[in-house]
Amino acid sequence: EPEVTQTPSHQVTQMGQEVILRCVPISNHLYFYWYRQILGQKVEFLVSFYNNEISEKSEIFDDQFSVERPDGSNFTLKIRSTKLEDSAMYFCASQLAGAFSDTQYFGPGTRLTVL
Amino acid sequence: DQQVKQNSPSLSVQEGRISILNCDYTNSMFDYFLWYKKYPAEGPTFLISISSIKDKNEDGRFTVFLNKSAKHLSLHIVPSQPGDSAVYFCAASDGSSNTGKLIFGQGTTLQVKP
Repeated sequence: EPEVTQTPSHQVTQMGQEVILRCVPISNHLYFYWYRQILGQKVEFLVSFYNNEISEKSEIFDDQFSVERPDGSNFTLKIRSTKLEDSAMYFCASQLAGAFSDTQYFGPGTRLTVL
Repeated sequence: DQQVKQNSPSLSVQEGRISILNCDYTNSMFDYFLWYKKYPAEGPTFLISISSIKDKNEDGRFTVFLNKSAKHLSLHIVPSQPGDSAVYFCAASDGSSNTGKLIFGQGTTLQVKP
């Protein structure tokens, strides 16, 4: 069964450093998302991406964040200068179509720890 | 932002009994609702969904009920099995937004005792 994959599973970084989280969505999916979950809190939407551009972003997704689909398979989230409060699980999700009734499939997540 | 609320942080049931997980929402623009199951150190796994044009959707042991007037949905698991022990998230989307963004509840931890 096709699945969303994410690498690395755990990333430890120093405050102020840049990190890139990688995702390989399901191959024929067209809509891509990043969510995050701070420990003990709910899963929060960060950004949606379609047709090589951001379709919506949350207030969390400020200038320090960017997303890219550099080739036909990868979808990346970059944090330019990490802060302590960026420590969280980051989940990538993909969806076949943009129809709201279509299911989003999530990857296993990357645990980001900022020291 | 509490557009989707799961007021019970945890639920414990005996194996074989029914588990009922509840979710309330405030945004009347939500028109599609999903339940995800999550194990520790894994991503959310899709379980079942319901469109606002329906009031019930069933898939095996899982049934979701939607009460639009009360802005309430519930997930019934029957019979409950120990493998169902996980965190269950309710999520909602607003079809008019065209982005597919999901708004999640806080989650309910279900423990099914053998």
